[in-house]
Amino acid sequence: NAGVTQTPKFQVLKTGQSMTLQCAQDMNHNSMYWYRQDPGMGLRLIYYSASEGTTDKGEVPNGYNVSRLNKREFSLRLESAAPSQTSVYFCASRSGTSGFNEQFFGPGTRLTVL
Amino acid sequence: ELKVEQNPLFLSMQEGKNYTIYCNYSTTSDRLYWYRQDPGKSLESLFVLLSNGAVKQEGRLMASLDTKARLSTLHITAAVHDLSATYFCAVDQDPSGGGADGLTFGKGTHLIIQP
Repeated sequence: NAGVTQTPKFQVLKTGQSMTLQCAQDMNHNSMYWYRQDPGMGLRLIYYSASEGTTDKGEVPNGYNVSRLNKREFSLRLESAAPSQTSVYFCASRSGTSGFNEQFFGPGTRLTVL
Repeated sequence: ELKVEQNPLFLSMQEGKNYTIYCNYSTTSDRLYWYRQDPGKSLESLFVLLSNGAVKQEGRLMASLDTKARLSTLHITAAVHDLSATYFCAVDQDPSGGGADGLTFGKGTHLIIQP
């Protein structure tokens, strides 16, 4: 099991460029998430998908769009990158059912917007 | 607005000492999560606390949950250098905890353990 995988690991963009961050999980989880981590801020939820076919905004959705392509894959798109979007982006997944229901995180994507 | 507050945010301690990290939260959730993050790495799940009074231990780390006080603690016993990391607590944005909503994280406690 690879768990949660993310591509790319690193990316440098110029202001105004677009890109898509990819995320996939092989744990048959229902729910998937995108967070951003900024120094001293902890992690903040951008968007999430409770189940295949649904997406919802989190705390900081402005400037982002998402697609739940299928049960395994959840992508995050920056249409017109801004320097304020320089951050580390983490994808996560969880079963979404009762029990421990903890979130498992991918390795992260370090994005710099110049 | 759901708030999760950790303290201290920065802690430098010597090997062999004991210390406690505190996590206060504002929701009525009865579950809480602790994660560890090493520099430049992802988050690793440490503990999932599922109910009031829950206590879990793994090696030199012990976590507890008091839902009435809305407080969780992460206690470090006889610290060793390998425990140096940033520790986060988090709660479900859906207080029922059994759903699919995201987590709200504290800002993290940056722990340095010196020989």
